[in-house]
Amino acid sequence: SQQGEEDPQALSIQEGENATMNCSYKTSINNLQWYRQNSGRGLVHLILIRSNEREKHSGRLRVTLDTSKKSSSLLITASRAADTASYFCATVTNAGKSTFGDGTTLTVKP
Amino acid sequence: DAGVTQSPTHLIKTRGQQVTLRCSPKSGHDTVSWYQQALGQGPQFIFQYYEEEERQRGNFPDRFSGHQFPNYSSELNVNALLLGDSALYLCASSLSWTGNQPQHFGDGTRLSIL
Repeated sequence: SQQGEEDPQALSIQEGENATMNCSYKTSINNLQWYRQNSGRGLVHLILIRSNEREKHSGRLRVTLDTSKKSSSLLITASRAADTASYFCATVTNAGKSTFGDGTTLTVKP
Repeated sequence: DAGVTQSPTHLIKTRGQQVTLRCSPKSGHDTVSWYQQALGQGPQFIFQYYEEEERQRGNFPDRFSGHQFPNYSSELNVNALLLGDSALYLCASSLSWTGNQPQHFGDGTRLSIL
């Protein structure tokens, strides 16, 4: 079974709105990473947040991590049509093993 | 500066055959990981190579094997292909095996088994 599970499975919003997707996991982690995947392409790294960090920002992206609840969220502000993609969280153990969830499919309508 | 490159981009095989997929990591990266991604699912970890050794392995049978060369490039071999092996195979490279660095992915090899 997957370590990380994203929620919701699919999200459809209008351009300019904010998009929030969540990731829950089960065991202790070293860090958690978010990736984006456009259809038929490889994954692109967005943000890495370490287990001792609570929040990180990168441009229009904001990631939070709550290790007590074993959950993380990715917020995309002022979404654009180009943000349409699948978003995956990956949990990384202290041994360096990455486990991906099944992703959230985001559709941003112009 | 070239990123991760994979070849071939598409491949069609029949059940029982063997296949070899190739990956060149991003310049400066010494760690290569392979993933299998079925349609509509997230990538599943196959194995990781560092210093020409398999360092970690996911829950895949021995039919899946790999190799890393001195120039850090890598191959994934799959024997006795099954219909269920049809998937996108992704290669990712990173600066470290520890997982503390982001992974850079290639665009994958789409493998179809008939």
